[in-house]
Parts: sequence; structure tokens; C-alpha cells
Amino acid sequence: QSVLTQPPSVSGAPGQRVTISCTGSSSNIGAGYDVHWYQQLPGTAPKLLIYGNSNRPSGVPDRFSGSKSGTSASLAITGLQAEDEADYYCQSYDSSLSGSHVLFGGGTKLTVL
Amino acid sequence: QLQLQESGSGLVKPSQTLSLTCAVSGGSISSDGYSWSWIRQPPGKGLEWIGYIYHSGSTYYNPSLKSRVTISVDRSKNQFSLKVNSVTAADTAVYYCARESYVLRFFDPWGQGTLVTVSS
Repeated sequence: QSVLTQPPSVSGAPGQRVTISCTGSSSNIGAGYDVHWYQQLPGTAPKLLIYGNSNRPSGVPDRFSGSKSGTSASLAITGLQAEDEADYYCQSYDSSLSGSHVLFGGGTKLTVL
Repeated sequence: QLQLQESGSGLVKPSQTLSLTCAVSGGSISSDGYSWSWIRQPPGKGLEWIGYIYHSGSTYYNPSLKSRVTISVDRSKNQFSLKVNSVTAADTAVYYCARESYVLRFFDPWGQGTLVTVSS
């Protein structure tokens, strides 16, 4: 079970806005670690979508935006398009007695109705 | 443009060792500011980070896999490798290699992934 909790699925009609949450704790997101988001289209490798909580790599449409507050982060997609149908993962770091290590959320399947 | 390509055994018997290599092209594995990671994804499931290595050879592993995993680097061939010992069916997954930004700690780019099946 992932320490970063995402809803298993979200859906929306074309043109609508959807948000995907990523809930952590005081040992990861709440500790100040950045949150990054990846998009995984069916049958392909994950692709970086948002880095450093709210930054878009070159080539990512501004329909995608990220935010972070406290122990949670969110990915928002506006003007939903059919090609946005994919799995979305958040990623951060967690601090434990054994050191810091990478964490992924469990993933959220976005369905465009 | 940096590209990563995984290769290795696609079928491994239970209790044996899984071995994969990630070839890096379009850039040097010795570049400062980056580490090199392995990440896996069981069929139909989410992503699990396995570990990373710096070009210096320093490594860090997921505590849940640490006892069975070894990551190494070959700077002369611009590649890094993964070994997982004593595999079981639970190790069946698509294995990805990726570059990690040392400062911001995100993964980009990723290799296309390679499916490893553990079965007798």
C-alpha cells in the first residue's frame, strides 16, 4: 500500500476540469519534499508532467497544473481532451530511520467520458 | 536528446537472478547533477522505485528490496545495471530505467521498459 494516496479513478467530459489529489504525511510531502507528476498513456512508459510541485517541462500544455499545500498535492487538468485519458502518478520522497527514499502514489486512472 | 534503453533476460526462473542493463545515449552517465534509477511496475499495478546509483558508484536502495538488489555502473560503456536475487513471481513486472535530477529529484527521461516474467 502506497504512503502517497491517490483516488483510484476520476472521470470528466471533454472540456471539463478534473483534479487528482495526492495525500501524504509529515514524513514526506509535509516535510517539504517536492511533488512531481507523471502521465502514463496505455502501453507506454511514464512521462514527466509536472516537476517541483507546479512547474511544467517544455512541451507540456498549460492545461496541466500542479499545486502543493501542507501534506497534500493536486494535479489539475482543464479543457479535458480525449488524449488525456491515462494513468497519473504523483511522486515525492519520504524520510525514515533508514534515510530518505522515493515514493510513488498508487496512481489514478483518468477516463474521458 | 538523452535516451535510455533497457535490455536483459525476459524470463527468469524462481529463485534465480534477474539481470538488466540500461544503455544511455545522447549524454554521459558521468554528468554531474544526476543519478540513475530503476523503477518497476507489476502488471496492472503502480510504480515501485527500486534504487539509484551515482556515476561515482554510490548506491541507495528501496529498504523493502535492499537485501536482494544490486545496482552497478559501467562508465566506459555508458550504462548501468540491475540485479535482483532470489526472484519470485512477485518480481514479475515491467522494469524501467530513468535519470533522476539530483537537486529536484524527479525522473526524466525514462526508458521504454522491459517486461520480466518470473516463471518455471
